[in-house]
Amino acid sequence: GESVGLHLPTLSVQEGDNSIINCAYSNSASDYFIWYKQESGKGPQFIIDIRSNMDKRQGQRVTVLLNKTVKHLSLQIAATQPGDSAVYFCADVAGAGSYQLTFGKGTKLSVIP
Amino acid sequence: DGGITQSPKYLFRKEGQNVTLSCEQNLNHDAMYWYRQDPGQGLRLIYYSQIVNDFQKGDIAEGYSVSREKKESFPLTVTSAQKNPTAFYLCASSMRDRLQGYGYTFGSGTRLTVV
Repeated sequence: GESVGLHLPTLSVQEGDNSIINCAYSNSASDYFIWYKQESGKGPQFIIDIRSNMDKRQGQRVTVLLNKTVKHLSLQIAATQPGDSAVYFCADVAGAGSYQLTFGKGTKLSVIP
Repeated sequence: DGGITQSPKYLFRKEGQNVTLSCEQNLNHDAMYWYRQDPGQGLRLIYYSQIVNDFQKGDIAEGYSVSREKKESFPLTVTSAQKNPTAFYLCASSMRDRLQGYGYTFGSGTRLTVV
């Protein structure tokens, strides 16, 4: 079946730098996307979401970009902090009445002090 | 504050035993889900329920059972038929309204270990 996946399993960045985490999806019917942050031993926490009728959405220190042409999603974290170290997942909802999430495998972000 | 509560946080199971993981939400969400997470992996859907007294199998339902007798509660039973149950189990709930962004919320998880 179709699934959401991630390009890179690990990412190391210096504290203060910007981080970019990428995600590719294959379901052309996907119309809603969410980024989650998961710290070790905890449940995923909502970071930001975006609908398919948008290209960009900004939150506090985070920006999500959606490129529907190439089915690509990215999460940008500005001024990365040690507390940002976690695994980040993208997930999508297929649309057309569906509201189940499909998750990618995740990218582990490590922030170097 | 509204949220999802999973219990216990840690659970140990002997071979051949059934165990039940609890999930309770006070968000008034219609839909509830159970996911399994293995080390270094994403989340895989075990079962989901869109409404009380109804539930559907997810991608890896074999060896698991659920019930949805109340809107607030969606317990998961890991049966002896599940040959590799050691994993981190996550419960989630959501609205069914895409216009409001679903409101997906996760519990803090139960780590199940077979001893």
